[in-house]
Amino acid sequence: AQSVSQHNHHVILSEAASLELGCNYSYGGTVNLFWYVQYPGQHLQLLLKYFSGDPLVKGIKGFEAEFIKSKFSFNLRKPSVQWSDTAEYFCAVNRPNDYKLSFGAGTTVTVRA
Amino acid sequence: GAVVSQHPSRVICKSGTSVKIECRSLDFQATTMFWYRQFPKQSLMLMATSNEGSKATYEQGVEKDKFLINHASLTLSTLTVTSAHPEDSSFYICSARDLTGAGNTIYFGEGSWLTVV
Repeated sequence: AQSVSQHNHHVILSEAASLELGCNYSYGGTVNLFWYVQYPGQHLQLLLKYFSGDPLVKGIKGFEAEFIKSKFSFNLRKPSVQWSDTAEYFCAVNRPNDYKLSFGAGTTVTVRA
Repeated sequence: GAVVSQHPSRVICKSGTSVKIECRSLDFQATTMFWYRQFPKQSLMLMATSNEGSKATYEQGVEKDKFLINHASLTLSTLTVTSAHPEDSSFYICSARDLTGAGNTIYFGEGSWLTVV
């Protein structure tokens, strides 16, 4: 079975600081990788996804993630966070053509003004 | 953009009763929907795949007689927690697969908090 590990449970940082959230998965075959964000009181929203091609993926709101196959990792980054980035972030994985997602436990990001 | 709506967003029920949660795709048809539950500070765990017009597919360890799923139309799936107990208290989230356009996108509902007292 696939498993997804997010290293940080809660991250607190100041505005303009850089953010990196770790994500590792256990599945050895071809995978699709996702980062979702859930702002307080809102739906889960897709930040970015990787299916194939360039391992550096750019998403919405200035986020990017890098797929490193040898490390089974898909870390999320943002060079300069804003207060509005305060949210819960989830890494997720599925196999191609299988729409069932396996989620990490999530990381709560709190950005202080 | 496409929206998936869940109702109710919060529900409190007495132990032993049943409660129904609805998941609707508001502007697209969804032949496949997914039901997840999330315990505090834990991952979203897939419970079942809801298929329009056929039986749901349950993940290992999920009691199909306790968590009844009905996907009677292309825009509605329901999850009924039967004979609810306090340990069923959780956050339930649905998602729906939009086959139109490119990418077969999955959209999530806003989730439903269930508290069993």
